[in-house]
Amino acid sequence: QITLKESGPTLVKPTQTLTLTCTFSGFSLSTSGVGVGWIRQPPGKALEWLALIYWDDDKRYSPSLKSRLTITKDTSKNQVVLTMTNMDPVDTATYYCAHMCLYYDILTGYYSPYYFDYWGQGTLVTVSS
Amino acid sequence: DIQMTQSPSSLSASVGDRVTITCQASQDISNYLNWYQQKPGKAPKLLIYDASNLETGVPSRFSGSGSGTDFTFTISSLQPEDIATYYCQQYDNILTFGGGTKVEIK
Repeated sequence: QITLKESGPTLVKPTQTLTLTCTFSGFSLSTSGVGVGWIRQPPGKALEWLALIYWDDDKRYSPSLKSRLTITKDTSKNQVVLTMTNMDPVDTATYYCAHMCLYYDILTGYYSPYYFDYWGQGTLVTVSS
Repeated sequence: DIQMTQSPSSLSASVGDRVTITCQASQDISNYLNWYQQKPGKAPKLLIYDASNLETGVPSRFSGSGSGTDFTFTISSLQPEDIATYYCQQYDNILTFGGGTKVEIK
């Protein structure tokens, strides 16, 4: 059974750096074809994908937020960490981590993002002074 | 970046109605499209992948179709438990979600 759970501060001040941890079970991030991603959702608004890390430590970032994001993994602890710098009130959102199934492109020989099939419950982060 | 435009942004229908949601990509994404359901206060749930493949355990009243830039998500007979917001998501070029469609009961 795959489970994921997000943890981190519920309140951060503007300009601070947010650090969120995703702790998961039921799979290993050393298994080929596996990834973990972060997605956020401002209150009453749509989902926004942020970052993705592959089992082989390859990383993908949202182009619009790339300069502010860093995603890392600790395979031994079954954790993925997302840091977001220079937080602003517009970054107030529920942050989700999710297990991603990657697909193998036979033509290119590379793995690519596919779908999120297991999600954490989400954690609300408020940015306010 | 690939933009995903969903319509309508919300709809109200009666139990038993056929409900259709569209998702348009800003460029050709083949069939690289997924659909998720998000109930209030809950995390999203994968319903359909590869534009038309039903995820295991998802009721058959849900279906998806389309390729290229135009996609459709259908609930053949709306049930009270289908009240949720539905999102499309492309994976042709990294990842992008659509703006969502909120489905309510009339």
